[in-house]
This record gives sequence, structure tokens and C-alpha cells, in this order.
Amino acid sequence: NAGVMQNPRHLVRRRGQEARLRCSPMKGHSHVYWYRQLPEEGLKFMVYLQKENIIDESGMPKERFSAEFPKEGPSILRIQQVVRGDSAAYFCASSPPGTGAPYEQYFGPGTRLTVT
Amino acid sequence: GEDVEQSLFLSVREGDSSVINCTYTDSSSTYLYWYKQEPGAGLQLLTYIFSNMDMKQDQRLTVLLNKKDKHLSLRIADTQTGDSAIYFCAESLTGYSTLTFGKGTMLLVSP
Repeated sequence: NAGVMQNPRHLVRRRGQEARLRCSPMKGHSHVYWYRQLPEEGLKFMVYLQKENIIDESGMPKERFSAEFPKEGPSILRIQQVVRGDSAAYFCASSPPGTGAPYEQYFGPGTRLTVT
Repeated sequence: GEDVEQSLFLSVREGDSSVINCTYTDSSSTYLYWYKQEPGAGLQLLTYIFSNMDMKQDQRLTVLLNKKDKHLSLRIADTQTGDSAIYFCAESLTGYSTLTFGKGTMLLVSP
């Protein structure tokens, strides 16, 4: 059973470009969470999605950031018009159907975004 | 709001015990967690404790929870060089399934 997959592992974008980060949850998991880790910081929650629904986006910046988890395919975190402050590691976690309990969240290896 | 605090750095010798400490502020925390992050890797859940427990032991790992002081610790017995990593304390609140993390403690184990 493959773990949570994220791609790309490393992404370099120039200021003003778009960044698309992909997350494929573990097989059978229907909950996806995105977290951002700024340099020398802990992870900060961004958004929690179930298939085709955004459950909690309280940690998502109001502008330029969006997330989706379609019926088919991976979850996508999209950052439009990137700025240097968006440089961070973005982690995805998934959990099985049910309560979505945090102890059942499995983390992917992360995508390291660098904005030049 | 919730806040999780940890010391930033700990250095120990191989074979010694390591104790990593964490404090949290939200008394409605349901679960408290310890994650390990190796360089360039994602987070690995080491262990978690429910808020009505005082202690949990799992092989070399012992978690102690002082709910009155909102203090959590992780003890690693017989620390090995492979334990060198960043350790994150995290909490989840009653009714929420998202995690709030501390900034992490870098553990360096020297031979």
C-alpha cells in the first residue's frame, strides 16, 4: 500500500507565476489536509478537504490560494502569482473515511516551493 | 487561541536518555502527539496520548502528560544516532480534526 504521494518534490517558480502542488492520498483515504511549513517554523494548517468538498479552509490565505479534491484524481493546491513569502514546504496528509481523527493522518514527503 | 511551544534544540550522547518538552495553552485539547521529521522528509507519527491519560509507553518512547500544567514530554531511552531529527509536538482540539504544531525541537545525537 503506497503512502501519501506528493509531486513535484521540489518546485521553483519566479515571482508572479503559478504553482500547482499535487497530493495523492493513500488508497482508501477520502480526507486530505494541507499544511505549510515556513523556514524554522512548525507546520500550519491550511485546508481540509473531502472528496469534492472543502470542509475547513480557515488556515488558507484569502487571496491567491485555492485547493480542490475532485472526485477523480489528486488533490491540488494552487498558488497564483507567487511571491517570495510563499517559499515553504507544503505537506499533504490523508486519513480514512470516518471521523478524520488526527492520529489517523499520514503525511506525504512534502513539496518544497522556492520562489525566486 | 491555541499555541504550542517547544525548546528549539537538544544535544545528547548516544546511549543517554533524551527528554523533549512541550507546553500547550488550550485546555480543550483532546489528543497530543509527537511527530518525527528527518531531513528532507515528511512527518512520521511516533505516538499520541489522549488527554485523560498521564503516561503512555511504547518501546523506547515514554510520553508524560501533566494536564494541570499543560505540559507534555517525550522521553527517548537509549538514544541512537538514528534518532537525530526534528521532533514536533502537536495538539488537536475537541471536535476538530486538524493539528496545531509547535516549531519543533532539533535533537542531535553524537556518538
